[in-house]
Amino acid sequence: DVKVTQSSRYLVKRTGEKVFLECVQDMDHENMFWYRQDPGLGLRLIYFSYDVKMKEKGDIPEGYSVSREKKERFSLILESASTNQTSMYLCASRSSWDTDTQYFGPGTRLTVL
Amino acid sequence: AQKVTQAQTEISVVEKEDVTLDCVYETRDTTYYLFWYKQPPSGELVFLIRRNSFDEQNEISGRYSWNFQKSTSSFNFTITASQVVDSAVYFCALRSLGNNDMRFGAGTRLTVKP
Repeated sequence: DVKVTQSSRYLVKRTGEKVFLECVQDMDHENMFWYRQDPGLGLRLIYFSYDVKMKEKGDIPEGYSVSREKKERFSLILESASTNQTSMYLCASRSSWDTDTQYFGPGTRLTVL
Repeated sequence: AQKVTQAQTEISVVEKEDVTLDCVYETRDTTYYLFWYKQPPSGELVFLIRRNSFDEQNEISGRYSWNFQKSTSSFNFTITASQVVDSAVYFCALRSLGNNDMRFGAGTRLTVKP
């Protein structure tokens, strides 16, 4: 079974704080993704990574950065959290096989006060 | 541009009713994949099915069935004899061959009442 884990289920931070969201997958997948989920908007891609140290911007990268130093770990960083970044954050991973399925972690609900 | 539309924001049914969740997609690519995911209250998206654009055969898995019609760009999902445990948000998604990005619809919240 593919397992994607995220460091926290719930997180509360203050405006201006630096926030790290961690994601780990155990299936040796090349591709990893960060999405945010907001009501009525579905899932929107923030960043993805197709290999160690490689990253590409998704649809809404502003205010976020990412780090992939090891294949199994993909971190999302909010350099200076703002209230409009309050959301559910979902991590996913997928192998390079084009027919493969994307597997998701349980999500981190971040509240920025 | 790729787009997935789930026009039904919320659906409420009584247990044992059948329910169909609609999904309409837009893409210019000829090879693509369509997905359905279920998101129960726990939050984790659970993969349900993947279809590729060359396979229009309908699929049935227990109480779940999927109807893929290329002519209308639709990939609808039917739950037969719904149960309370089916209550969740359901997402339809699209990804083209060679593309890392997956487009999601806005989701349909299904509530099944006892």
